[in-house]
Amino acid sequence: GAVVSQHPSRVICKSGTSVKIECRSLDFQATTMFWYRQFPKQSLMLMATSNEGSKATYEQGVEKDKFLINHASLTLSTLTVTSAHPEDSSFYICSAKVLYNEQFFGPGTRLTVL
Amino acid sequence: AQKITQTQPGMFVQEKEAVTLDCTYDTSDQSYGLFWYKQPSSGEMIFLIYQGSYDEQNATEGRYSLNFQKARKSANLVISASQLGDSAMYFCAMREGPGNNDMRFGAGTRLTVKP
Repeated sequence: GAVVSQHPSRVICKSGTSVKIECRSLDFQATTMFWYRQFPKQSLMLMATSNEGSKATYEQGVEKDKFLINHASLTLSTLTVTSAHPEDSSFYICSAKVLYNEQFFGPGTRLTVL
Repeated sequence: AQKITQTQPGMFVQEKEAVTLDCTYDTSDQSYGLFWYKQPSSGEMIFLIYQGSYDEQNATEGRYSLNFQKARKSANLVISASQLGDSAMYFCAMREGPGNNDMRFGAGTRLTVKP
């Protein structure tokens, strides 16, 4: 199957700083990428849908000014958590869509905000 | 409203036995897709099986099969011959309609395989 990578896999930062998470489709071009957030022992919750070259579509309740998403190319989408706070600590997972039925997930990024 | 419902927070199965993980869904779309993913403790989402709403036959992938009952809106995952490595969280997901729509997940079921 297609490979999606995320970097970093794990990040610890101080409260008030910004953190950028990269999501790359390594062997295919993804016109659409999705960002999910997962709290411990909970399900994946969609944060936003990112289409290459256009603004991301955010789910209700997700602050677009806090979670900046950039999908500058067909192989790269970035999520920047601005002015991070401890409540932003979570597991962030991206996924990329290839064909109608195919959606592949990255390995996730564990963010801890101190 | 919750579109994907997994009513079993946790399940136990004896090694080598079969287990069924329940999933019901709600949609008014005629075209939709149903997915099952496995998430081990490492966090990665591993695709297991897919069922399209127009597929007449139940999907199968190795030891995984999907019991698709369209009229009842259920898409249960059956794992045959359970292995210790099957212990993980299992998520049912649905994508509605054609196009680049997002995938919505159920709450998940934690499966523990006993030796």
